Amino acid sequence: AQKITQTQPGMFVQEKEAVTLDCTYDTSDQSYGLFWYKQPSSGEMIFLIYQGSYDEQNATEGRYSLNFQKARKSANLVISASQLGDSAMYFCAMREVTGNQFYFGTGTSLTVIP
Amino acid sequence: DVKVTQSSRYLVKRTGEKVFLECVQDMDHENMFWYRQDPGLGLRLIYFSYDVKMKEKGDIPEGYSVSREKKERFSLILESASTNQTSMYLCASSLEFSGANVLTFGAGSRLTVL
Repeated sequence: AQKITQTQPGMFVQEKEAVTLDCTYDTSDQSYGLFWYKQPSSGEMIFLIYQGSYDEQNATEGRYSLNFQKARKSANLVISASQLGDSAMYFCAMREVTGNQFYFGTGTSLTVIP
Repeated sequence: DVKVTQSSRYLVKRTGEKVFLECVQDMDHENMFWYRQDPGLGLRLIYFSYDVKMKEKGDIPEGYSVSREKKERFSLILESASTNQTSMYLCASSLEFSGANVLTFGAGSRLTVL
């Protein structure tokens, strides 16, 4: 079974609008971390935001927030006030305490329209 | 800042050649990873290493081997390159699982096998 599922291959958003990128995960560990990365066309992977499985509050980093719903095993990324520079691939990832690996989804390509 | 440096940004090799992809990190991270990135497939783990001379197979180890003789260096080896190994290769490193120890990536190595 897929550890991380991103069901939106491509998304469009109007500049200055908010957008939600979906991510669901599958684990039987009680302790795990959830991450979002951004990959612009240059190819570098940029860490955006982290949510720990025991964190009760949703993580926020500037215009990024992570909508963590533990019972539904979802970890959606919300980008507020989209900017043209937000156009990129976005990857959701999970790290379990067992195995020490990072698992990635297939990514969502976000295009911000002026 | 953690730096992960991949020796070659672009490589073109012939079928059957032996290919070495080198990766060096400068922050004393225990864990190092090699991923392969293909459109629509996301990042797939080839191998990872949690200590010097230790390695673990990831999801797609066939056709690849790795070497970690020093803590800071993790090499990916294609013993006999094939056209289906044409891809983007990403090296990454992290500390042990503890809180938000993120995965830090290199810039990537785009390999073309002719």
